[in-house]
Amino acid sequence: KAGVTQTPRYLIKTRGQQVTLSCSPISGHRSVSWYQQTPGQGLQFLFEYFSETQRNKGNFPGRFSGRQFSNSRSEMNVSTLELGDSALYLCASSLAPRYEQYFGPGTRLTVT
Amino acid sequence: QKEVEQNSGPLSVPEGAIASLNCTYSDRGSQSFFWYRQYSGKSPELIMSIYSNGDKEDGRFTAQLNKASQYVSLLIRDSQPSDSATYLCAVNSPNTGNQFYFGTGTSLTVIP
Repeated sequence: KAGVTQTPRYLIKTRGQQVTLSCSPISGHRSVSWYQQTPGQGLQFLFEYFSETQRNKGNFPGRFSGRQFSNSRSEMNVSTLELGDSALYLCASSLAPRYEQYFGPGTRLTVT
Repeated sequence: QKEVEQNSGPLSVPEGAIASLNCTYSDRGSQSFFWYRQYSGKSPELIMSIYSNGDKEDGRFTAQLNKASQYVSLLIRDSQPSDSATYLCAVNSPNTGNQFYFGTGTSLTVIP
């Protein structure tokens, strides 16, 4: 069974731009969570989607948004990028909330 | 108080020894507990999940859960240099909509 895929793997953007990251979960998984990981802050929860509905949202500004499609694929968008948004963005999929989460390889975003 | 706390380490053990990693959590209603391994520059990889008090063994890994003490641990027997990584503890509670909370991780180095 194929794992979680994330595209793109690497991204360089300029301050003020916006970016969209994509995540395809494991086949049959309906829950997708997004995390931001930085050396100083560890894994920070962004949001979780299940059956196209946002179930939980972390403590991030409104510049961070996401959505999930009917095939469970998910996208997250960051608008008006700031230098501090440079991080590894990880997507994790699970059968449903509460069950094991499996991570994708991540998208490394660099904002200059 | 953080939802999940781990000693950041670094923890160093000689090859062949037992490595013991510990984690405490604050939400007494937590029901699902997970250990992830993360190599430098890679995404977290699920090692073990545990849901009931007691021990759960999988190969060289044993997860231990004590809900009364709000404590979960991971033992790695016969530690190998390839076990050198950061180990993340994650906790999930219905009280928080089954959102996953991750600790900041414990860095483990196995010395040949």
